[in-house]
Amino acid sequence: GAGVSQSPRYKVTKRGQDVALRCDPISGHVSLYWYRQALGQGPEFLTYFNYEAQQDKSGLPNDRFSAERPEGSISTLTIQRTEQRDSAMYRCASSFGGLAVNEQFFGPGTRLTVL
Amino acid sequence: KNEVEQSPQNLTAQEGEFITINCSYSVGISALHWLQQHPGGGIVSLFMLSSGKKKHGRLIATINIQEKHSSLHITASHPRDSAVYICAVHRGSTLGRLYFGRGTQLTVWP
Repeated sequence: GAGVSQSPRYKVTKRGQDVALRCDPISGHVSLYWYRQALGQGPEFLTYFNYEAQQDKSGLPNDRFSAERPEGSISTLTIQRTEQRDSAMYRCASSFGGLAVNEQFFGPGTRLTVL
Repeated sequence: KNEVEQSPQNLTAQEGEFITINCSYSVGISALHWLQQHPGGGIVSLFMLSSGKKKHGRLIATINIQEKHSSLHITASHPRDSAVYICAVHRGSTLGRLYFGRGTQLTVWP
């Protein structure tokens, strides 16, 4: 496909379970971003990558959250021991990257519900 | 206090009206984005700008770096413009992380 894709689109899990959210960026995009959006709020930065290198993870709320992009393409955001407060829309975006600021293209998001 | 403030939070207009949404920020930035979030949830980038003015169809975005302020204008508004409009900035010389405003919910009635 031409756009950013994410899977699953919806995830319902029980408190204490681990979840893995996948992002497939636009082919050739160097930079990949993860955001979280609570209902009625604006997006909140979590982390971003250039190629496979995690450039900034200052937005990850705690050490239960981690992300990887091992081959510089697909990325996985993992939440361990989920809690109800983790319920939100998790969005991925990608951009051309490089030394200039670029437009970001957003995926459809994964709606996570922790029961 | 959020580093990026938008106003108004909610905006209702009649079809055909001229719309202005404002964004103020308190930090030095390298660029500012205007995003549109559709009722279905998808987010689309409308503009990215670091100076001056950009126009795309009925949408116009301006930025005043000295005043740390940007505006998004919609001319001849239409019900399909109903969405949440979000302002986001890259702080300083950082190229990655975006800082977001809370968004402006626009509803345009026919």
